[in-house]
Amino acid sequence: QKEVEQNSGPLSVPEGAIASLNCTYSDRGSQSFFWYRQYSGKSPELIMSIYSNGDKEDGRFTAQLNKASQYVSLLIRDSQPSDSATYLCAVNMGGFGNEKLTFGTGTRLTIIP
Amino acid sequence: GAGVSQSPSNKVTEKGKDVELRCDPISGHTALYWYRQSLGQGLEFLIYFQGNSAPDKSGLPSDRFSAERTGGSVSTLTIQRTQQEDSAVYLCASSLLLQDFYGYTFGSGTRLTVV
Repeated sequence: QKEVEQNSGPLSVPEGAIASLNCTYSDRGSQSFFWYRQYSGKSPELIMSIYSNGDKEDGRFTAQLNKASQYVSLLIRDSQPSDSATYLCAVNMGGFGNEKLTFGTGTRLTIIP
Repeated sequence: GAGVSQSPSNKVTEKGKDVELRCDPISGHTALYWYRQSLGQGLEFLIYFQGNSAPDKSGLPSDRFSAERTGGSVSTLTIQRTQQEDSAVYLCASSLLLQDFYGYTFGSGTRLTVV
């Protein structure tokens, strides 16, 4: 079983709609969760972090965490063509003193104008 | 510096040669990580440094791979006797570890091609 799982996509969403990206993880003790955006040929860029159950909003982005279900999601509202990228879910499974992110394989998102 | 700096940005090497990849983390960041990303693949963890020590080397794929960090700053990843399967983008990241962990910042990567 993969430690961090994401649908690889591609996920196509019309411009202006909500894009929903999902991620599940295997380590029930994980405490911190991150979403990275990676444009083609570029390195990953941190866009959201979440540590507690519930929702966290930052502009058009909302991260959602449900530790009981071991589930993290990212919502992108009012999707723009510039949001077209691969989105990587990352989970800190290393614990205190060994903080290390395990990444999913990413979901490729395409926003259709 | 302002960001994580990696050099070279591209490296083409012949099979069997040794290569050195360099990473200069964000100033003051105590933690440094090496990952690699093969074409169309996810990010594969290689090694983690806290200061100059490496508490987690579990991701190094073979004994041809080694890394060091000096002065709590610059790190070098060395691949000896390169093989074609070593071709990938090697990404370095750094993090400021205090009581909380805020994720990390990646450099722009070194694209290694073994021919």
